[in-house]
Amino acid sequence: DAGVTQSPTHLIKTRGQQVTLRCSPKSGHDTVSWYQQALGQGPQFIFQYYEEEERQRGNFPDRFSGHQFPNYSSELNVNALLLGDSALYLCASSRKLDREGYTFGSGTRLTVV
Amino acid sequence: GQNIDQPTEMTATEGAIVQINCTYQTSGFNGLFWYQQHAGEAPTFLSYNVLDGLEEKGRFSSFLSRSKGYSYLLLKELQMKDSASYLCAALIFTGGGNKLTFGTGTQLKVEL
Repeated sequence: DAGVTQSPTHLIKTRGQQVTLRCSPKSGHDTVSWYQQALGQGPQFIFQYYEEEERQRGNFPDRFSGHQFPNYSSELNVNALLLGDSALYLCASSRKLDREGYTFGSGTRLTVV
Repeated sequence: GQNIDQPTEMTATEGAIVQINCTYQTSGFNGLFWYQQHAGEAPTFLSYNVLDGLEEKGRFSSFLSRSKGYSYLLLKELQMKDSASYLCAALIFTGGGNKLTFGTGTQLKVEL
């Protein structure tokens, strides 16, 4: 049973560019959450998608946007990249009605230069 | 706002016992998770407490006191491979559903 799959694993972008990160949730999961983790910090909640809609959002600017597809996979888009956007981006999947069972992907390491 | 506090670093000896504390002040509290994260890897699930008390799972135990806003993770018979960051995360219920809010993580170093 495949867990959460994220792509790409590593990415280098230039300031001002745009980036798209992808996530395939664990089989049976319908909810996808995205987190940003700076070095030495805990993950910070960006937003959560369920039924193809953004249901919750953390304290991140509108440059961060997302999408969920009918097959429950999800994308995170970041526009006008800043050096401070360099971080590990984690995707976690879960089932809407479950309070347990958040499964994390291995993340995408984004470096902005 | 949501506030979760845990020590930044801890050091312990192989074979010993270590307790990592976590205090939280949140609204919509719906349970407490502990995750282990090795450098550059995904967080992996260790435990989930929603009721007060101790949950034991092998070498790992987790405790929750909802009235005190307090949890701890207890690791017994420490091994070198236990060197990692340990993340305390509160499950918060909002109008849109549940979300995890993390502390900054405790970096545990296990020494010989």
